[in-house]
Amino acid sequence: QKEVEQNSGPLSVPEGAIASLNCTYSDRVSQSFFWYRQYSGKSPELIMSIYSNGDKEDGRFTAQLNKASQYVSLLIRDSQPSDSATYLCAVAANTPLVFGKGTRLSVIA
Amino acid sequence: DAGVIQSPRHEVTEMGQEVTLRCKPISGHNSLFWYRQTMMRGLELLIYFNNNVPIDDSGMPEDRFSAKMPNASFSTLKIQPSEPRDSAVYFCASSLSILDTEAFFGQGTRLTVV
Repeated sequence: QKEVEQNSGPLSVPEGAIASLNCTYSDRVSQSFFWYRQYSGKSPELIMSIYSNGDKEDGRFTAQLNKASQYVSLLIRDSQPSDSATYLCAVAANTPLVFGKGTRLSVIA
Repeated sequence: DAGVIQSPRHEVTEMGQEVTLRCKPISGHNSLFWYRQTMMRGLELLIYFNNNVPIDDSGMPEDRFSAKMPNASFSTLKIQPSEPRDSAVYFCASSLSILDTEAFFGQGTRLTVV
């Protein structure tokens, strides 16, 4: 059974701070890793993808991947109240995406 | 492109009734996925299609659930008969290929079975 684990939160950070979201996965052959953002009552929206070890930056978002540790993270710099949402980690290993249950982030103004 | 389109957005039905959820994937996408989301279990994959062919329906919870994709632009998920425990948000998603690529989600159908 492929598993993707995330801390459910809520993770509360002050506006302007760095939010750090973490995810671990069980399938060692996983090849593709994604972060989705889901606002309350809305559908998941893709914000980052990463395929190789290291960091990938896109604006205020940085995804980090460590395949040896089976660990992927998302950093959000200069957090804004509009970043308050649930962040879903998704992993694929020659299969459709398997999702974690998500971490709820609250950015306090 | 309008993205993945699902209908209806909300459905309230009585236990025992048939429910049909509809999905139009993004044009040119070859793979279509049906997910169900609940607070307890998160996003669960129910079934997925590639080039209109069902590939894996092992996530379908019971025989009461069925899905079809008669052509590249339309898919249905049917529950017959519906039960209160089927209440959830059902998402359809599509992607360019079946493996290791980004999936784009529709707005979902919130199903309530009373």
